[in-house]
Amino acid sequence: AQSVAQPEDQVNVAEGNPLTVKCTYSVSGNPYLFWYVQYPNRGLQFLLKYITGDNLVKGSYGFEAEFNKSQTSFHLKKPSALVSDSALYFCAVRDRTGANNLFFGTGTRLTVIP
Amino acid sequence: DVKVTQSSRYLVKRTGEKVFLECVQDMDHENMFWYRQDPGLGLRLIYFSYDVKMKEKGDIPEGYSVSREKKERFSLILESASTNQTSMYLCASRTGTLRTYEQYFGPGTRLTVT
Repeated sequence: AQSVAQPEDQVNVAEGNPLTVKCTYSVSGNPYLFWYVQYPNRGLQFLLKYITGDNLVKGSYGFEAEFNKSQTSFHLKKPSALVSDSALYFCAVRDRTGANNLFFGTGTRLTVIP
Repeated sequence: DVKVTQSSRYLVKRTGEKVFLECVQDMDHENMFWYRQDPGLGLRLIYFSYDVKMKEKGDIPEGYSVSREKKERFSLILESASTNQTSMYLCASRTGTLRTYEQYFGPGTRLTVT
């Protein structure tokens, strides 16, 4: 069965510092991986995805994610955090059982401190 | 841009009431989804639909039903609301195009059952 794990419920980072939000996955075969962000009182917004190709994927709002097959990880990164990046971040993996739906992690709340 | 709208942002209902949550998308997407979001549990799939009049159970369908009479509209029904159904409900849609898996979300409905 496929799954994703977000080991940190909460991440705090100072404004201007680099940020990392961690995600590890467990799938059979090649993973299709996604990151979403949820701002307060809003739905989820798609940030980026890895399907195939370069291990470093660039997405919206200056975010990027690095796919690491040996470590089964897909960490979300940004070189310089903004206060407006404070939000709830979800990692997701494609369900390969035929439905091709997404299976979401439990979320990580990022707080950027001014 | 894809737009997914949900009929209510906030809803308060009494135990035992029948509750309808409506979702409309304007991008002619084949696939539509209903999730509930709870702290520490992330997003859990309730039901999804591949096409008009088609529906499939997700991971937690108990206590819920759905209706998809038109392609753009997907309704979630709580036949007899209970307090444990107090949650944030998110609707999403996705194109049926091959190898396209990202979903687009509505703003959510925060349902409180008293």
